[in-house]
Amino acid sequence: DAKTTQPNSMESNEEEPVHLPCNHSTISGTDYIHWYRQLPSQGPEYVIHGLTSNVNNRMASLAIAEDRKSSTLILHRATLRDAAVYYCILFTGNQFYFGTGTSLTVIP
Amino acid sequence: DAGVTQSPTHLIKTRGQQVTLRCSPISGHKSVSWYQQVLGQGPQFIFQYYEKEERGRGNFPDRFSARQFPNYSSELNVNALLLGDSALYLCASSLEVWTGYGEKLFFGSGTQLSVL
Repeated sequence: DAKTTQPNSMESNEEEPVHLPCNHSTISGTDYIHWYRQLPSQGPEYVIHGLTSNVNNRMASLAIAEDRKSSTLILHRATLRDAAVYYCILFTGNQFYFGTGTSLTVIP
Repeated sequence: DAGVTQSPTHLIKTRGQQVTLRCSPISGHKSVSWYQQVLGQGPQFIFQYYEKEERGRGNFPDRFSARQFPNYSSELNVNALLLGDSALYLCASSLEVWTGYGEKLFFGSGTQLSVL
């Protein structure tokens, strides 16, 4: 069974914020949430990770629900270079479990 | 500095053959992990190696094996290839062994394996 579920695809207008949701209802207390993105013909690239608190870095923000059963990756101003497949991942049992990813299309 | 390099970039094999994929981590990184990515799906964890020892294994058959060398480079071997082994095989390196939060992974661009 998949440990994370994400919408297959989303669209955003350029320079607008994007909220990418992820459900992880079976998460346990010590499981970390990671996000990576994969551009065409490339390997995944780290975006952000967190445990309980909301996290910010120069690429994005990660908002984690209080019950930790869902999280949202926030891109504050989408650019054309942000078009990629975004993976929500659980680190548990010393393994990274990737979801099926959300393909983000950025419209100029 | 060079990123994670994988070779070859593309490979075509026939059923029953054996294949070896290679990965060189970022300089200074001691941990290497391998993933299988079937078209349209997210990567699936196969192995993690740290200091030449296997530190984790995903749900893959014994036909899959790997090793890590003293220079921290790694090889993934797949025996008795099946059509279902066709996928992009990704290697990732990290500075240290995975701790409670999971280390930041740096991925290579992968080896595209086609089994005919």
